[in-house]
Amino acid sequence: DIQMTQSPSSLSASVGDRVTITCRASQSIRSYLNWYQQKPGEAPKLLVYAASNLQTGVPSRFGGSESGTDFTLTISGLQPEDFATYYCQQTNTIPFTFGPGTKVDI
Amino acid sequence: EVQLLESGGELIQAGGSLRLSCAVSGFIFNNYAMNWVRQAPGKGLEWVSAISGSGDDTYYADSVKGRFTVSRDNSKNMLYLQMNTLRADDTAVYYCARQVVRYFEDWGRGTLVTVSS
Repeated sequence: DIQMTQSPSSLSASVGDRVTITCRASQSIRSYLNWYQQKPGEAPKLLVYAASNLQTGVPSRFGGSESGTDFTLTISGLQPEDFATYYCQQTNTIPFTFGPGTKVDI
Repeated sequence: EVQLLESGGELIQAGGSLRLSCAVSGFIFNNYAMNWVRQAPGKGLEWVSAISGSGDDTYYADSVKGRFTVSRDNSKNMLYLQMNTLRADDTAVYYCARQVVRYFEDWGRGTLVTVSS
């Protein structure tokens, strides 16, 4: 199975900060990497698909990039509604594995 | 508007069986693969199972293989997860999710399964 790691596991930030979350795959997943946001008590929400494509309706302050097996989610100008947990997911190979999550709080 | 609504979660004893359902609307159901994803209390997301649009192909995480069965009724726009020989570590919120190409675009709100030992 492909293992996904995320760093950091949590971070504290302030409104307006630039935040970067990294996800690493244990082997090549091409660009089949998605990012989800989850708030407490809610279902996950798709933010970025195929490494760098912003889902319709997601604010442009979110962005994704890739370099080999390393993937990055960047939030440029953190907003109050962005405090949540973020998960990466690979869909190159079944089982579709998720990263352990990165909690972003104040 | 795409909607997914899970049901069937409850408190059940270890060793028991349960069937979860996911009612969908707002899209042509048989055009899309569907997935089940679970989340244990306070933990991360775990992919559980997938089924192709036709229902001909099914896939499972090793943790549930041989115990869980995914199925769908395209005439009723329904997705199911039959869970047998339940264990305490199956306790989780179970989400159904619509797969578009290689990402999960839409999710239900989840249904809680609690397995007591």
